[in-house]
Amino acid sequence: AQKITQTQPGMFVQEKEAVTLDCTYDTSDPSYGLFWYKQPSSGEMIFLIYQGSYDQQNATEGRYSLNFQKARKSANLVISASQLGDSAMYFCAMTRGQTGANNLFFGTGTRLTVIP
Amino acid sequence: EAGVTQFPSHSVIEKGQTVTLRCDPISGHDNLYWYRRVMGKEIKFLLHFVKESKQDESGMPNNRFLAERTGGTYSTLKVQPAELEDSGVYFCASSQGRVAGVKHNEQFFGPGTRLTVL
Repeated sequence: AQKITQTQPGMFVQEKEAVTLDCTYDTSDPSYGLFWYKQPSSGEMIFLIYQGSYDQQNATEGRYSLNFQKARKSANLVISASQLGDSAMYFCAMTRGQTGANNLFFGTGTRLTVIP
Repeated sequence: EAGVTQFPSHSVIEKGQTVTLRCDPISGHDNLYWYRRVMGKEIKFLLHFVKESKQDESGMPNNRFLAERTGGTYSTLKVQPAELEDSGVYFCASSQGRVAGVKHNEQFFGPGTRLTVL
């Protein structure tokens, strides 16, 4: 079975600083996908970044990067140069396989607050 | 392009009543998913449609929940009769069918329906 663990219920970061949100996962499948979603107070879920289990390089999307450590089964999200608009809930998720046609398994989320 | 829409945004009902949630996916998306987040817990998968067929309904909690996707377009999720533990936010998401060369099929989420059962 797939399981995602996010151990940080809440995090604070100073504006313009970098922050790392932790995510560990558990699966026995060799092929899987890892995702991060952002949920601002308005409620919608916004896709941020994706990492496939066979990808050799860490994924990056603008100020977001995913620190993928396969042996440790971790997929931490790094946000560089935090902005006030980054304050939101952040969810780590995974799928079986990498086709993207399977359902997502989510963690409990981390609430990030950016301090001016 | 319109995103995933859900109706209603909020619903407050009494225990024992029936509620029907609706999801309109992005046009052309074959895959449609329902998820639920109960207060303070993780978002959990309920079921997955491919066009009008149920691909995976392993997450449906019990037979009080009925999902349909007639014609492979919009989907409804009916809860009958509702219980207190059904309260939460119900999310719908959609994604394209498998596309050659696409690394992964991103799931686009709707804003959710907040259901409160009193």
